[in-house]
Amino acid sequence: DAKTTQPNSMESNEEEPVHLPCNHSTISGTDYIHWYRQLPSQGPEYVIHGLTSNVNNRMASLAIAEDRKSSTLILHRATLRDAAVYYCILFMDSNYQLIWGAGTKLIIKP
Amino acid sequence: NAGVTQTPKFQVLKTGQSMTLQCAQDMNHEYMSWYRQDPGMGLRLIHYSVGAGITDQGEVPNGYNVSRSTTEDFPLRLLSAAPSQTSVYFCASSPRVSGNTIYFGEGSWLTVV
Repeated sequence: DAKTTQPNSMESNEEEPVHLPCNHSTISGTDYIHWYRQLPSQGPEYVIHGLTSNVNNRMASLAIAEDRKSSTLILHRATLRDAAVYYCILFMDSNYQLIWGAGTKLIIKP
Repeated sequence: NAGVTQTPKFQVLKTGQSMTLQCAQDMNHEYMSWYRQDPGMGLRLIHYSVGAGITDQGEVPNGYNVSRSTTEDFPLRLLSAAPSQTSVYFCASSPRVSGNTIYFGEGSWLTVV
């Protein structure tokens, strides 16, 4: 079964870059990799997604390994508002299901 | 543009009662889905729909029913509430193709006593 694996938590200092890793060794060729984040008592918020190539947007960058079995979400300059649980998700093109991991709790230190 | 709207935000039920969680989206998305999130865990898929008149089961469908009579609405029915269904429920929608952004509602907190 498809699944994603992430570290339970990570700490970073404010204003520094953050690299959040995700393993998805069972990914299929057409499954998209999505990243969402969730603040307490709120719904998940879109961060970024990609298929094969690295992706950039105003929030973050997504680096996808050549074999697609892992990816890294990069926050270039973390702020206190980036403290959240970050989920790496596979969106399975075969059945439109989202496979969620347990997420990484990102702690930002001032 | 309201996005994905869920109601109610909070609900307390007694064991055995039934209720419906409402979900509506105004983005003309084909794909809609319901998730539950238990403390400290990621979201688990309950049911989903790829268009009006089409629904299918997700990972944890037991005890829940859905219908999709219109593109906009995707209600989730709890048939006979159990304490194990105490959770936070999220509705989501997106265009049908998996490479699109998924939009989530703000959640419905359900407690079954």
